[in-house]
Amino acid sequence: SQQGEEDPQALSIQEGENATMNCSYKTSINNLQWYRQNSGRGLVHLILIRSNEREKHSGRLRVTLDTSKKSSSLLITASRAADTASYFCATAPAGSYQLTFGKGTKLSVIP
Amino acid sequence: EAQVTQNPRYLITVTGKKLTVTCSQNMNHEYMSWYRQDPGLGLRQIYYSMNVEVTDKGDVPEGYKVSRKEKRNFPLILESPSPNQTSLYFCASSSLISGSPQETQYFGPGTRLLVL
Repeated sequence: SQQGEEDPQALSIQEGENATMNCSYKTSINNLQWYRQNSGRGLVHLILIRSNEREKHSGRLRVTLDTSKKSSSLLITASRAADTASYFCATAPAGSYQLTFGKGTKLSVIP
Repeated sequence: EAQVTQNPRYLITVTGKKLTVTCSQNMNHEYMSWYRQDPGLGLRQIYYSMNVEVTDKGDVPEGYKVSRKEKRNFPLILESPSPNQTSLYFCASSSLISGSPQETQYFGPGTRLLVL
């Protein structure tokens, strides 16, 4: 069953602006991951944040996790046209061997 | 180069004609998984495997079979494909850390299947 839900479904910004995407989930998790997908291609792992972590950085990416609100956010700073893609959050429910993906946020960065 | 490969990349077939989509990884990963991606539904897991000869159903297993006879290979079998199995399919693998496969997934390039 799908647990993570991204918000917004679509986001359009100008190059150089920051992009923020949110993910909400329902049950306790071991970790939460963000993936990127260029149109019709395979998903690429961006960042993993564990349930005992609150914030994580990787280059221009910043991920936060609030387990009390069961939510996460992905911030892409100083966006580039090459960041245009769909972004998915994936949650790893505690006690499960599965990774469940949301429906994604489609980001368009306009040059 | 570490990678997950899938074949074929594109496939058009007819209802009822058995087909197999192959998946192979060269990272010695224990965990392998199949997903399907449909517009508006995101990725849904079909089957997964924790290791050789160990497989289990995901969220949408109906109409699919898998096998894991070797660690590197995890083929997806559609014994009698139907039009509702038209989709984009992804294979993924990951290592087991502390017994949990919920770590970084490495995805193949995808197989686009059309069932007429």
